[in-house]
Amino acid sequence: EPEVTQTPSHQVTQMGQEVILRCVPISNHLYFYWYRQILGQKVEFLVSFYNNEISEKSEIFDDQFSVERPDGSNFTLKIRSTKLEDSAMYFCASSPSGGSYNSPLHFGNGTRLTVT
Amino acid sequence: SQQGEEDPQALSIQEGENATMNCSYKTSINNLQWYRQNSGRGLVHLILIRSNEREKHSGRLRVTLDTSKKSSSLLITASRAADTASYFCATNVNQGGKLIFGQGTELSVKP
Repeated sequence: EPEVTQTPSHQVTQMGQEVILRCVPISNHLYFYWYRQILGQKVEFLVSFYNNEISEKSEIFDDQFSVERPDGSNFTLKIRSTKLEDSAMYFCASSPSGGSYNSPLHFGNGTRLTVT
Repeated sequence: SQQGEEDPQALSIQEGENATMNCSYKTSINNLQWYRQNSGRGLVHLILIRSNEREKHSGRLRVTLDTSKKSSSLLITASRAADTASYFCATNVNQGGKLIFGQGTELSVKP
């Protein structure tokens, strides 16, 4: 069964550094998402992406964050200058269609980001 | 309170027993979904129930939805130790497919 794959599984970085988290969504999916989960807390929506542009973003997704689909397969999340509070598990997800077609999201296994 | 709140926060049962988890939400929805998360892993989709549906079954899972009360329940029958995980409800409220997750219920099934 096709999967969403994320790399790396664990990233350690120093405060102020830039990080890029990578995701390969399922190939025929059209909607892409990033979520994060701070340890012990709920899964929080960051951003949704469709037709090569951001369709929705949360308050968390400030100017320090950006997303890109540089080619036909990868979907990346960049954090320009990491802060300690960015430490979390970041999940990529994809869906064949949006909510109006009642499609579930397919999640990757996540990248654990640790900012020191 | 927030969209998507589950109770109980933690549930411990014996293998073979049934587990019931509840979820409440605040706004109107397109659908409600339940996901499972094993420790340190990604979220796995379990079941989706549309706003015009009242009950859905999938194997040992039974989900109900009461839109008048803005609540849903997930029942796992004849639980197994392998069902030990966190279970999250998530509501979809718009066409973009964005999900709003609850806090989750941590289920422990003892052999």
